[in-house]
Amino acid sequence: QSMLTQPPSASGTPGQRVTISCSGSSSNIGSNTVNWYQQVPGTAPRLLIYGNDQRPSGVPDRVSGSKSGTSASLAISGLQAEDEADFYCGTWDDSLNGYVFGTGTKVTVL
Amino acid sequence: QVQLHQSGPGLAKPSQTLSLTCVISGDSVSNNRATWNWIRQSPRRGLEWLGRTYYRMRWFTGYAVNVKSRITITPDTTKNQFSLQLNSVTPDDTAVYYCVREDVGPTTYFDLWGQGTPVTVSS
Repeated sequence: QSMLTQPPSASGTPGQRVTISCSGSSSNIGSNTVNWYQQVPGTAPRLLIYGNDQRPSGVPDRVSGSKSGTSASLAISGLQAEDEADFYCGTWDDSLNGYVFGTGTKVTVL
Repeated sequence: QVQLHQSGPGLAKPSQTLSLTCVISGDSVSNNRATWNWIRQSPRRGLEWLGRTYYRMRWFTGYAVNVKSRITITPDTTKNQFSLQLNSVTPDDTAVYYCVREDVGPTTYFDLWGQGTPVTVSS
């Protein structure tokens, strides 16, 4: 099963901005909206961003998403200790006729 | 409050069938604005979508290509639940398995996850 490409790690000090990239292809990101999920180790993933740039209720506005062509990005500004987690992008793939996830990025707050 | 509760054994022997069930509360498996999915996660394979079932005037299923020959996802309207069967398991199927609701609207996303069931395939 194909996966979207993310950097394995990202880090920042409290208050800084962290950006995570998600790279795909024309059959997935290029054709469909992207969602982002946050996962604290030992718990299930939770929806963080949907439809490329929409925040579910309860997600602070310092979290934002964007998409351009076959890539997407997640940005977290005003980094806080509670932001330490693993982050995954995901979208539908028209060629595979299935859902694909990113390889995951571990965010560390220094 | 909508919840998904998973049940099933956490251990399977190679070549056997892995069976898990997900009970839905606060929603209906026949909801025509949702799909009901199984997703697994392992250190080697990351998050992996396995398949889904959904109702749109009739029942549909869809499966990931790499498990298509071994998987069955079945809805049960009488018990408001859906189930996963994965045949001929190998140690490579060792993972945490999640049942997940996908909200289907102008955009689609996985908005509700079960608690996860760790499954080990070992003799």
